[in-house]
Amino acid sequence: QVQLVESGGGVVQPGRSLRLSCAASGFTFSTYGMHWVRQAPGKGLEWVAVISYVGNNYYYADSVKGRFTISRDNSKNTLYLEMNSLRAEDTAVYYCAKDERENDYTGYPHYFDQWGQGTLVTVSS
Amino acid sequence: QLVLTQSPSASASLGASVKLTCTLSTGHSNYAIAWHQQQPERGPRYLMKVNNDGSHSKGDGIPDRFSGSSFGAERYLTISSLQSEDEADYYCQTWGTGFVVFGGGTKLTVL
Repeated sequence: QVQLVESGGGVVQPGRSLRLSCAASGFTFSTYGMHWVRQAPGKGLEWVAVISYVGNNYYYADSVKGRFTISRDNSKNTLYLEMNSLRAEDTAVYYCAKDERENDYTGYPHYFDQWGQGTLVTVSS
Repeated sequence: QLVLTQSPSASASLGASVKLTCTLSTGHSNYAIAWHQQQPERGPRYLMKVNNDGSHSKGDGIPDRFSGSSFGAERYLTISSLQSEDEADYYCQTWGTGFVVFGGGTKLTVL
């Protein structure tokens, strides 16, 4: 059974940094691209970033480009999101999600076939 | 620009059927989409992928009550024999070279 468990959320001041983690199990983590998707309170879903299965290709939404970094450690079956220069508008529940495509070296996103339960990030002074 | 448009809300009675629509922007009618369900206070769940020819592939454990179809630039999610647990937000999603787009979501109320 696939499990994606996010952690690392919390309250952080504007301008500070935070790192989220997503522990994966129940599938061969090292062969699938992975995503971060967020949802601001009361709002819809917003894609944040994707990383290829090897970890050498990645793409970001314009809203986070240059501030957020997606990475992965296949030896630990873990996905990360390093968030810098945080703003109030980054306040959201952050979900990790598994891409449906296996062994896609391009890292291009497709659709998500598994989701985590999310971790809440609140940016506030 | 690739945009997905969904009606903000829909409602139908317990036991009835409902058809939700996701419309692709002009020039993008050949794109496949995926449907995701988000029940209150829960993470999203993948339901199915719908191709431009109307074929669809469902996620593991998704009941037969859920089906997908397509016509032109519209992609549909039909839920039959509505149950109370179907009350949720439904999002369509598509993708391109280096980006992902979500529709604004449809809040389904089961009366």
